[in-house]
Amino acid sequence: EPEVTQTPSHQVTQMGQEVILRCVPISNHLYFYWYRQILGQKVEFLVSFYNNEISEKSEIFDDQFSVERPDGSNFTLKIRSTKLEDSAMYFCASSEFITDQPQHFGDGTRLSIL
Amino acid sequence: LAKTTQPISMDSYEGQEVNITCSHNNIATNDYITWYQQFPSQGPRFIIQGYKTKVTNEVASLFIPADRKSSTLSLPRVSLSDTAVYYCLVGFSGGYNKLIFGAGTRLAVHP
Repeated sequence: EPEVTQTPSHQVTQMGQEVILRCVPISNHLYFYWYRQILGQKVEFLVSFYNNEISEKSEIFDDQFSVERPDGSNFTLKIRSTKLEDSAMYFCASSEFITDQPQHFGDGTRLSIL
Repeated sequence: LAKTTQPISMDSYEGQEVNITCSHNNIATNDYITWYQQFPSQGPRFIIQGYKTKVTNEVASLFIPADRKSSTLSLPRVSLSDTAVYYCLVGFSGGYNKLIFGAGTRLAVHP
């Protein structure tokens, strides 16, 4: 079964540095998402992306964050000037265009800010 | 998006059937009901989705009464590996729709 893959599985970064989290969505999917989950807390929506544009973003997704689909297969989340509170699991998800199809998640990148 | 309410935790034993009920009183006409499973340090995994009546797949069944104000996820003959957090979500799944996760139900399966 096709799956969403994320790299790296664990990223350790110094506070203030920039990080790029990478995702390869399922190949025929057209909608892409990023979520995060702080340890012990709920999964939170960050942003959705379709047709090379952000479709919707949450209040968490401020100017520190950006997303990009640099080629036909990758979908990236960039976090500039990281803060301690950015430490979390970051999940990428994708879904088909068909409206009743669910989102499929990757296994996440654990981001640790020191 | 409709608000959902589900038990915080449940306990079961291997081989038993587990039913987790979710209430969603303000579900909209176009809303689907979707259940996800999450193991520690993994992404949520899609289990099942339905709109009305009953849906069954190889891992679970989903029962939805006529008024659609609640739904029940049924896991037949659970095993230790079914220990996880289960999330009920209501909304227009796929496409632009963001998923709003609650705290979920933490299911513990005991030997």
